[in-house]
Amino acid sequence: QQQVKQSPQSLIVQKGGISIINCAYENTAFDYFPWYQQFPGKGPALLIAIRPDVSEKKEGRFTISFNKSAKQFSLHIMDSQPGDSATYFCAASPQGGSEKLVFGKGTKLTVNP
Amino acid sequence: NAGVMQNPRHLVRRRGQEARLRCSPMKGHSHVYWYRQLPEEGLKFMVYLQKENIIDESGMPKERFSAEFPKEGPSILRIQQVVRGDSAAYFCASSPWTGTEAFFGQGTRLTVV
Repeated sequence: QQQVKQSPQSLIVQKGGISIINCAYENTAFDYFPWYQQFPGKGPALLIAIRPDVSEKKEGRFTISFNKSAKQFSLHIMDSQPGDSATYFCAASPQGGSEKLVFGKGTKLTVNP
Repeated sequence: NAGVMQNPRHLVRRRGQEARLRCSPMKGHSHVYWYRQLPEEGLKFMVYLQKENIIDESGMPKERFSAEFPKEGPSILRIQQVVRGDSAAYFCASSPWTGTEAFFGQGTRLTVV
């Protein structure tokens, strides 16, 4: 199966809190797992990506945790800010890069001031 | 260095008309990908092209949809005899080679009336 399941569908956090979005996949051939941020009316922009040879990757306030055995990965946004309010998509690809990405359905994040 | 350019940004077509969506990849990028995003959904892969070649069109509907990426000029996604169900945002992405990040354009929002 090519599906990537994402949860929650929507998330509201207070400024300064931690936002956590989870994704699960079934296809063990996936070997590239990016997260995208999308603002209304804009295209998706790559936030951070991980490959299965590491369990965690951190870039600034954004961290991906990856559990290969459980086939799950998650995005943590530390010290969430109102400017982080957007829709976040997880994705996966079997080809090591951005060819033929399979996207989750998205999480609409709202960070209240 | 300009990003991925898509035009038009918005397109309204009556049922039965043809829609042509154009995508100019980033300078130096020879790989182009088209995705479709339905309301409240993630992006769905449609087709992967290199200059003058279709590499993977497994996500393209069998009828009415076609794509090309000529030696000169932008990539074109063509939808013939549009129906209401074709209303969606269509995103193009490009990358310099395989196995790397793809950069998305801002999309073309097609409305079929």
